[in-house]
Amino acid sequence: NAGVIQTPRHKVTGKGQEATLWCEPISGHSAVFWYRQTIVQGLEFLTYFRNQAPIDDSGMPKERFSAQMPNQSHSTLKIQSTQPQDSAVYLCASSLGGGNTGQLYFGEGSKLTVL
Amino acid sequence: AQSVTQPDARVTVSEGASLQLRCKYSSSGTPYLFWYVQYPRQGLQLLLKYYSGDPVVQGVNGFEAEFSKSNSSFHLRKASVHWSDSAVYFCVLSRTGGYKVVFGSGTRLLVSP
Repeated sequence: NAGVIQTPRHKVTGKGQEATLWCEPISGHSAVFWYRQTIVQGLEFLTYFRNQAPIDDSGMPKERFSAQMPNQSHSTLKIQSTQPQDSAVYLCASSLGGGNTGQLYFGEGSKLTVL
Repeated sequence: AQSVTQPDARVTVSEGASLQLRCKYSSSGTPYLFWYVQYPRQGLQLLLKYYSGDPVVQGVNGFEAEFSKSNSSFHLRKASVHWSDSAVYFCVLSRTGGYKVVFGSGTRLLVSP
């Protein structure tokens, strides 16, 4: 079991550029979550997919952020026109079911730095 | 409303000493409780979980936690810490039937030699 795979591990962008982060959940897991982690805000929920369908994106900034899950083997988080305040570690997690047991399996994160 | 409070942002203990990291929760339904650990530049890893039954649950690497419904607490303990235990520890709450988890703010543990 390879675990949750996130790429790239590190990404540096200039202000105004686009950033796309990739997540490959554990095979057989039907739920995928995206979180943002910063020192100031801690762990923030961004969005949640179940069986590839978007269920809850209440944590996503309405402008510039979008997430997709085109198939069961990967999800993407896209940030358009990146700003310095988008600098953070973006964590993807997956779980077996709808997450109702709460046990999440995390990737190692993608550290985004916006200059 | 659900919430998790980890009152200690940083804890420093000497290697070989015992450890307790505190966690208080608030939940309107039956809580599922977890402790995760995050080592530098890594994702979160599950240490242990409590769903029901025996209030003391054992985890990996000698960690255990005790659930107390009366105190709304789920404190993490270890009898003798090692320098490699230095990390950030998160207490996490989930609820039956729900998919959202609530993270505590984390406690940074530093084990000094």
